[in-house]
Amino acid sequence: NAGVTQTPKFQVLKTGQSMTLQCAQDMNHEYMSWYRQDPGMGLRLIHYSVGAGITDQGEVPNGYNVSRSTTEDFPLRLLSAAPSQTSVYFCASRRTASTFMNTEAFFGQGTRLTVV
Amino acid sequence: GNSVTQMEGPVTLSEEAFLTINCTYTATGYPSLFWYVQYPGEGLQLLLKATKADDKGSNKGFEATYRKETTSFHLEKGSVQVSDSAVYFCALEAAGNKLTFGGGTRVLVKP
Repeated sequence: NAGVTQTPKFQVLKTGQSMTLQCAQDMNHEYMSWYRQDPGMGLRLIHYSVGAGITDQGEVPNGYNVSRSTTEDFPLRLLSAAPSQTSVYFCASRRTASTFMNTEAFFGQGTRLTVV
Repeated sequence: GNSVTQMEGPVTLSEEAFLTINCTYTATGYPSLFWYVQYPGEGLQLLLKATKADDKGSNKGFEATYRKETTSFHLEKGSVQVSDSAVYFCALEAAGNKLTFGGGTRVLVKP
């Protein structure tokens, strides 16, 4: 019963490096999203997807790319890491993208990223 | 735009004390409201939800009532345990199916 799986759990990058945070869900959920969590700021939406082949920007998309080639996977790419991207990243999925269906969001365990 | 404001922590309590975490929101339309909990080292989990005015969500001894007139969704528990130590997030979902989160409130329960 895996749910939402994120890898890696911890990562240290040098400024300018690129990397991909992986996210996979095994619940056949339509809706997947990426958040970053910073102290005192709650979770802020980076990008989201309402289904395979469809992605859109959230509140803080700059510096990040996503793709959704399959229902299961939703990787987040940092193109050129900056210290401002030091944060904890969470992937989440929901059964449906339909507004007001009020479906529960399931979260991965997070990736703690430090950019030096 | 939509926003959620919750009291800053940390909130430190003794076991069996009463817990209240205030949450107020600003949203267009009629949002659904949620409380999520994050235990140390883990992702967020849904604690409870309410989808319309005057609804009461409840789970694990926690309760929150959707108050449209005061745009609030305060979380309460009558007798906390050490295992309730966590970070609690208030959130709303309005049109567009995006969740908007508050800043989180860290709760520490001491034995």
